[in-house]
Amino acid sequence: LAKTTQPISMDSYEGQEVNITCSHNNIATNDYITWYQQFPSQGPRFIIQGYKTKVTNEVASLFIPADRKSSTLSLPRVSLSDTAVYYCLVGDPKAAGNKLTFGGGTRVLVKP
Amino acid sequence: GAVVSQHPSRVICKSGTSVKIECRSLDFQATTMFWYRQFPKQSLMLMATSNEGSKATYEQGVEKDKFLINHASLTLSTLTVTSAHPEDSSFYICSARIGGSSQPQHFGDGTRLSIL
Repeated sequence: LAKTTQPISMDSYEGQEVNITCSHNNIATNDYITWYQQFPSQGPRFIIQGYKTKVTNEVASLFIPADRKSSTLSLPRVSLSDTAVYYCLVGDPKAAGNKLTFGGGTRVLVKP
Repeated sequence: GAVVSQHPSRVICKSGTSVKIECRSLDFQATTMFWYRQFPKQSLMLMATSNEGSKATYEQGVEKDKFLINHASLTLSTLTVTSAHPEDSSFYICSARIGGSSQPQHFGDGTRLSIL
């Protein structure tokens, strides 16, 4: 299972763009990159998933360079409610079992 | 989108009690479900992989006789914490995914277990 490395924490202000970079040097050919958001006392919530280049949905964008050894989650114009822990995970979603190994995550604090 | 429901959301019980937690996939069939444990201020730790119709696969260091997993149908997996003790107090979370696709795992809202 590919290991991921993320910053422990990041501070931001309302209305700013937050970019969280995740390193996954040992990513395998069939691995996808998935980001989750977790609020206290809740289960992780799926944000976005991608394989290469750029993926965008209604809440975030995911940038993946050609070598796929890292990825950046971009949260546009954050609000106070975006304060949470963000996890980057790497794995083959089609593989039997498809275990996800959670790293430490990035604790994002959005200030007013 | 895919919804995973977990029940109960919170349990408080005496030491020595066995506690059962249910994890249901509400709008899809899940041949595989996963059980995690999370201590305060820490990340999620995978405990076991629950396979429909077969025995669960436990991660190293997780006692299979302590944490009984039953995945009797394509929409339900249960985790039973047997003879729970205070050190078993934690946040237990399940996840499930649509088999054979590139769809991501979806997580339940967790169960807060407090053993007195």
